[in-house]
Amino acid sequence: IAGITQAPTSQILAAGRRMTLRCTQDMRHNAMYWYRQDLGLGLRLIHYSNTAGTTGKGEVPDGYSVSRANTDDFPLTLASAVPSQTSVYFCASSDSGGGAPDTQYFGPGTRLTVL
Amino acid sequence: GQNIDQPTEMTATEGAIVQINCTYQTSGFNGLFWYQQHAGEAPTFLSYNVLDGLEEKGRFSSFLSRSKGYSYLLLKELQMKDSASYLCASMDSNYQLIWGAGTKLIIKP
Repeated sequence: IAGITQAPTSQILAAGRRMTLRCTQDMRHNAMYWYRQDLGLGLRLIHYSNTAGTTGKGEVPDGYSVSRANTDDFPLTLASAVPSQTSVYFCASSDSGGGAPDTQYFGPGTRLTVL
Repeated sequence: GQNIDQPTEMTATEGAIVQINCTYQTSGFNGLFWYQQHAGEAPTFLSYNVLDGLEEKGRFSSFLSRSKGYSYLLLKELQMKDSASYLCASMDSNYQLIWGAGTKLIIKP
């Protein structure tokens, strides 16, 4: 069982380019999340999805978009990357659909550098 | 506002006991999570507390006081592999996690 996979593992991107980070889970979890992690700061929620077909904005959604066409996949798109989006991006999932406390399980992360 | 505070860094000796504190202030409360994160890796779940008191799980224990907005993670019989960052997160009224910046624990032989 793979759990959650993310691709790519790392990427260097020129400012202004479009980039999609991929996230796939095989646990049939209802909820999925995208976080960014920056040195000295806690994980910050970018976007989330409580169930397939629905998405919501987190704490830092500007410059990012997501879609949730099915249960397994939750891609994160940077429409026009800027240097401040340099970060480590983690995808996570949880069984519940946002209506109950539940443990979140994390993918291995994508290290993104925008120059 | 919502805020999670925990120490930035702690140092302890192999075989000893260490307590990592966390204070939280969130809009509503649906429990307190602790995660472990080794350098360059993903966070992994350690514990969840929603009721006051101590939850013990092997060498690791977690405590919660809802009235004080306070939690701690207790690690006993420290091993070198326990060197990692420990993340405290409070679940708010919308079932979203609000994360602290993490405590980097350095274990010395």
